[in-house]
Amino acid sequence: KQEVTQIPAALSVPEGENLVLNCSFTDSAIYNLQWFRQDPGKGLTSLLLIQSSQREQTSGRLNASLDKSSGRSTLYIAASQPGDSATYLCAVSDVTGANNLFFGTGTRLTVIP
Amino acid sequence: KAGVTQTPRYLIKTRGQQVTLSCSPISGHRSVSWYQQTPGQGLQFLFEYFSETQRNKGNFPGRFSGRQFSNSRSEMNVSTLELGDSALYLCASSLGTAGNTIYFGEGSWLTVV
Repeated sequence: KQEVTQIPAALSVPEGENLVLNCSFTDSAIYNLQWFRQDPGKGLTSLLLIQSSQREQTSGRLNASLDKSSGRSTLYIAASQPGDSATYLCAVSDVTGANNLFFGTGTRLTVIP
Repeated sequence: KAGVTQTPRYLIKTRGQQVTLSCSPISGHRSVSWYQQTPGQGLQFLFEYFSETQRNKGNFPGRFSGRQFSNSRSEMNVSTLELGDSALYLCASSLGTAGNTIYFGEGSWLTVV
């Protein structure tokens, strides 16, 4: 069964700092990997989707990379802002591409003004 | 374009009762998935519906069921509620073909007392 791990569980950084969130998965037979953010008491907002054939995706200050063979992904956030404070979750879909995602437990990010 | 809409947002039920949650996907999306989020277990996949058919099912007891209507709206039902069913129930929609971005609603907070 696919297991997704995110380290660290929590992270606090001063505003303006660049940071990296990590995600690892046990089964490299994935179709894609998606990063989400979740604000307290809210649903999930999709940030980036990386297909298994891709190495990275970028959106604004966010860059996500994927190394499928080693079972790892990173989310890089440049010039962090207080509004980036949230829980960040990564999720992988299995090789069939079915919409049953396996989620990590998330990294709770706090950006200190 | 309207996002994924879930109703009700908050509800309190008594142990032994049943509950029905509703989800309206993004217009044009044919796949609707349901997830349960708890502090202890994180996000877990319940089931996915596509064109009124259950396409995937997670590892939950038969008390959890769902359905999808011809307009792609979906409902999930939990019968004989237990205290452990208290959770945030999230609905997600996508176009349905493999590899598409998945969009989540704000969720329904269920408290079982």
